[in-house]
Amino acid sequence: DVMMTQSPLSLPVTLGQQATISCRSSQSLVRSDGDTYLNWFQQRPGQSPRRLIYNVSRRDSGVPDRFSGSGSGTDFTLKISRVEAEDVGVYYCMQGTHWPPWTFGQGTKVEIK
Amino acid sequence: QVRLVESGGGVVQPGRSLRLSCVASGFMFSSCGMHWVRQAPGKGLEWVAFIQYDGKNKYYADSVKGRFTISRDNSKNTLYLQTNSLRPEDTALYYCTKGSGYGFDIWGQGTMVTISS
Repeated sequence: DVMMTQSPLSLPVTLGQQATISCRSSQSLVRSDGDTYLNWFQQRPGQSPRRLIYNVSRRDSGVPDRFSGSGSGTDFTLKISRVEAEDVGVYYCMQGTHWPPWTFGQGTKVEIK
Repeated sequence: QVRLVESGGGVVQPGRSLRLSCVASGFMFSSCGMHWVRQAPGKGLEWVAFIQYDGKNKYYADSVKGRFTISRDNSKNTLYLQTNSLRPEDTALYYCTKGSGYGFDIWGQGTMVTISS
């Protein structure tokens, strides 16, 4: 199974500052067709998960452009360029290249300092 | 409006069964693979099961294999998860989520399953 490792697990951030979350996979997430199935999710307190980013860097409809995804192979990053209060929650990476199983990272809790 | 609505959760004793349901609306359910994902209280997300759009192929997490069965009724736009031989560690909020394409783009609100004697 592909293991997904996120860091840090807790991220206190000042409003308006940048937040960076890393996600590393135990093997390359590039599929044989050249595509990379790496998603990022946001889970606000008391809410269901919401997909923010798919295919490493593509933002879902309605996701603010302060969220960006990057990376390749085994190393991926989610950046929130100017953190707002509504960004508080837990962020997960997930791989869908080598399945089953589909695997999630442990989650990174973003809070305001 | 694209929507997934889960139901069927509850409090049951270890060893008992529950059938969870997920009703889809606002998209072509019969063309989409579907997943169940769960989240134990205070914990992260765990993939549970996947079913292909036509029901022909199904996949399970090792933790539930042989105890849980995923199925679907495309005529009713409904996804199911039959959970048998339930254990305390199955206690979680169970979400259904759309699986086609890059997947996991639509989630329900979840249904809570609590296993307790």
